[in-house]
Amino acid sequence: AQSVTQPDIHITVSEGASLELRCNYSYGATPYLFWYVQSPGQGLQLLLKYFSGDTLVQGIKGFEAEFKRSQSSFNLRKPSVHWSDAAEYFCAAWVSSNTGKLIFGQGTTLQVKP
Amino acid sequence: NAGVTQTPKFQVLKTGQSMTLQCAQDMNHEYMSWYRQDPGMGLRLIHYSVGAGITDQGEVPNGYNVSRSTTEDFPLRLLSAAPSQTSVYFCASSSGTGMYQPQHFGDGTRLSIL
Repeated sequence: AQSVTQPDIHITVSEGASLELRCNYSYGATPYLFWYVQSPGQGLQLLLKYFSGDTLVQGIKGFEAEFKRSQSSFNLRKPSVHWSDAAEYFCAAWVSSNTGKLIFGQGTTLQVKP
Repeated sequence: NAGVTQTPKFQVLKTGQSMTLQCAQDMNHEYMSWYRQDPGMGLRLIHYSVGAGITDQGEVPNGYNVSRSTTEDFPLRLLSAAPSQTSVYFCASSSGTGMYQPQHFGDGTRLSIL
């Protein structure tokens, strides 16, 4: 079945440390991939997206993600985490261009230690 | 610019009651959708619409109805509320109907069914 998987439910990092959040997808073809962030009590905000071309994409707030076709992965990274990055992060993929179904992973909650 | 507006923000219902969750966007977006967010399950698509007068089912449509009489509004109706529908509901919109457009999310409606 087509799916998006985020293996880590909860991650804790120290402020200033680097961050990598994992995302794997299961599709026959390369889907269009997104990372969203959700602060407590808020809706989701787009961090970055991958459609084609350069496999390393830059997003807002200093985040980047790398698409690796061989590993079916689209991991999110940040070199130095700030306390304000504490939130829940969702990886998502479009299933079909005609029906516009966006499929989400289960989410990863990021806690930042001072 | 209001973006995507959801009302109410919080609601408590009794089992069997009906209600409508409102969603309005002021960006002239063609595509609108409803998701529910449950712990550990990410966001799951309930219904979506690619334009006024056109709606279709997502992953979890049972117990919900939608209509799209205008471009701006996309209400979600719970016909007979059940405790399993306790969730946080998000409305989203995007320009066009293809996979290229990121979703703009409302702040959510937190619904409890007793």
